[in-house]
Amino acid sequence: DIVMTQSPDSLAVSLGERATINCKSSQSVLYSSNNNNYLAWYQQKPGQPPKLLIYWASSRESGVPDRFSGSGSGTDFTLTISSLQAEDVAVYYCQQYFTTHSFGQGTKLEIK
Amino acid sequence: EVQLLESGGGLVQPGGSLRLSCAASGFHFSDYAMGWVRQAPGEGLEWVSAISDSGGSTYYADSVKGRFTISRDNSKTTLFLQMNSLRAEDTALYYCAKVAAPWWNDRFDSWGQGTLVTVSS
Repeated sequence: DIVMTQSPDSLAVSLGERATINCKSSQSVLYSSNNNNYLAWYQQKPGQPPKLLIYWASSRESGVPDRFSGSGSGTDFTLTISSLQAEDVAVYYCQQYFTTHSFGQGTKLEIK
Repeated sequence: EVQLLESGGGLVQPGGSLRLSCAASGFHFSDYAMGWVRQAPGEGLEWVSAISDSGGSTYYADSVKGRFTISRDNSKTTLFLQMNSLRAEDTALYYCAKVAAPWWNDRFDSWGQGTLVTVSS
């Protein structure tokens, strides 16, 4: 099974500043045949279900603000929020769907 | 608009059974794989199970393999999760989620609000 490890576990960032969350998979989630990384990012606010932000490691879901971006390949990935807004306070999860599914433990993002 | 409405959760004793349902609408149900993801109180997300568009292929997390069974009724646009031999560690909010493709290995692009399962004596 692929284990997903996020860092840090929690993060406090000032409004308007950049937030960066990292995700590492225990094995590559890059499928060489199509050059796709089977990696997604989700945002979960209190009392709500998760919301898809990014898929194929760097493709933004429709309706997601462009301050959210994903990068990385193979085993190392990053979610970046370029200018933190108050409504971005949430827990963020990475997920691999290369072999079945598995999620990272989550990163709690707060305002400094 | 995609809507996923879970039901069937509740309080059950250890060793008991429950059947969760997820009524889907707003999309062509039989064209997409579906899955279940759970979240224990105050904890992170754990993938539980997935099923292909036709129902012909099913997948399970090791933690539930042999105890849980996923199925679907495409004529009724409903997803199911039969949970047997329940344990305290199965206590969680169970989300129904739509996969963005007919096969299991794609992202979850829509989620229900969840149904709470509590396993306790």
